[in-house]
Amino acid sequence: AQSVTQPDIHITVSEGASLELRCNYSYGATPYLFWYVQSPGQGLQLLLKYFSGDTLVQGIKGFEAEFKRSQSSFNLRKPSVHWSDAAEYFCAVGPYGGSQGNLIFGKGTKLSVKP
Amino acid sequence: DTAVSQTPKYLVTQMGNDKSIKCEQNLGHDTMYWYKQDSKKFLKIMFSYNNKELIINETVPNRFSPKSPDKAHLNLHINSLELGDSAVYFCASSPTSPRAQYFGPGTRLLVL
Repeated sequence: AQSVTQPDIHITVSEGASLELRCNYSYGATPYLFWYVQSPGQGLQLLLKYFSGDTLVQGIKGFEAEFKRSQSSFNLRKPSVHWSDAAEYFCAVGPYGGSQGNLIFGKGTKLSVKP
Repeated sequence: DTAVSQTPKYLVTQMGNDKSIKCEQNLGHDTMYWYKQDSKKFLKIMFSYNNKELIINETVPNRFSPKSPDKAHLNLHINSLELGDSAVYFCASSPTSPRAQYFGPGTRLLVL
């Protein structure tokens, strides 16, 4: 069955430190992969997406993610975290349920940033 | 200029009431969705519509009924609200291909 696992429920990093958020997926075909960010009380904002081609994708706010088919992973990275990056991060895979199907989301990783 | 908008942003109501949440997108997308986010932040698809036609209906009580008057709107009507319906409901839309979804700001529903 299709699924997304984000092994870290909560991560705390110091401002200026590097960040890596892990995402593993189980999917029967070549997946489309996404990272979304949700700030407190806000909706979900698309950070980046992978459909095909270069396995290292760049997103907004200085984030990047690397698709590794052999590891079924799509980890999110940022070289230097800013206090404003504190939020909940969701990895997603899709489409599920046909070509116009929905996304399956991981349970999210909460990022806290120490001054 | 809002791409996906939802109204209301907050909804507090009594058990047993009927309520509606409206969603509109101005992105020209063909597909719209409703997701439910529970208190643990878990997101789960409820419904998906493509060009006003229902294409996904997950295991959702039939008290929940989506209605799509046109492809830019997908409203969610909830009958006989229960305590367990308290959650954040997100509307989203996507083009037919590729399938990145764009989310609205959410409607925070609290059933008392």
